[in-house]
Amino acid sequence: AQSVTQLGSHVSVSEGALVLLRCNYSSSVPPYLFWYVQYPNQGLQLLLKYTSAATLVKGINGFEAEFKKSETSFHLTKPSAHMSDAAEYFCAVTHVQSSASKIIFGSGTRLSIRP
Amino acid sequence: NAGVTQTPKFRVLKTGQSMTLLCAQDMNHEYMYWYRQDPGMGLRLIHYSVGEGTTAKGEVPDGYNVSRLKKQNFLLGLESAAPSQTSVYFCASSLTPAGQFFGPGTRLTVL
Repeated sequence: AQSVTQLGSHVSVSEGALVLLRCNYSSSVPPYLFWYVQYPNQGLQLLLKYTSAATLVKGINGFEAEFKKSETSFHLTKPSAHMSDAAEYFCAVTHVQSSASKIIFGSGTRLSIRP
Repeated sequence: NAGVTQTPKFRVLKTGQSMTLLCAQDMNHEYMYWYRQDPGMGLRLIHYSVGEGTTAKGEVPDGYNVSRLKKQNFLLGLESAAPSQTSVYFCASSLTPAGQFFGPGTRLTVL
């Protein structure tokens, strides 16, 4: 069985500070991992994905995430936060042989940016 | 290229009423999904389809039905709405199970 845990339902950082959103996964087979962003009153937008190639994945808007198998983690980072980064972020997991139903989303982390 | 579109954007129903949510995609994707999003619970899969004419149950299918008569459309029906179905509904599509594209959502309130 697969699962995703996002640590911290709300994270607040100052503009220009490092953003770190934590995601840990559980999977009995090699996973595919994703980060999605949701701006207020909008759908989810794919930020980046890991599909068993490079462990450091770069996404849109300056975000990146590193797959660490030993820690079962896929944390999302951005070196310098911008006000426009305020949104909710979702981590998700599936695997290459998954049926369509086996995509599991975390409960989300709301990112706030302080001026 | 509109991506994934959803109709309507907002709807208010009374308990017991029925309605259909329409999802359309113009990317020729095989897979389509309906999710509901509730505060603090992330997204939960209601039903999904792996191709035209196919549907399957997800995590929370009770009280909902779906149809995929055309590849580009995926309909979600509520036959007898209940207050517990108040939620934001998202449709998504993808070429494979990985990397879904989401629609803008439908905010449904059941009184």
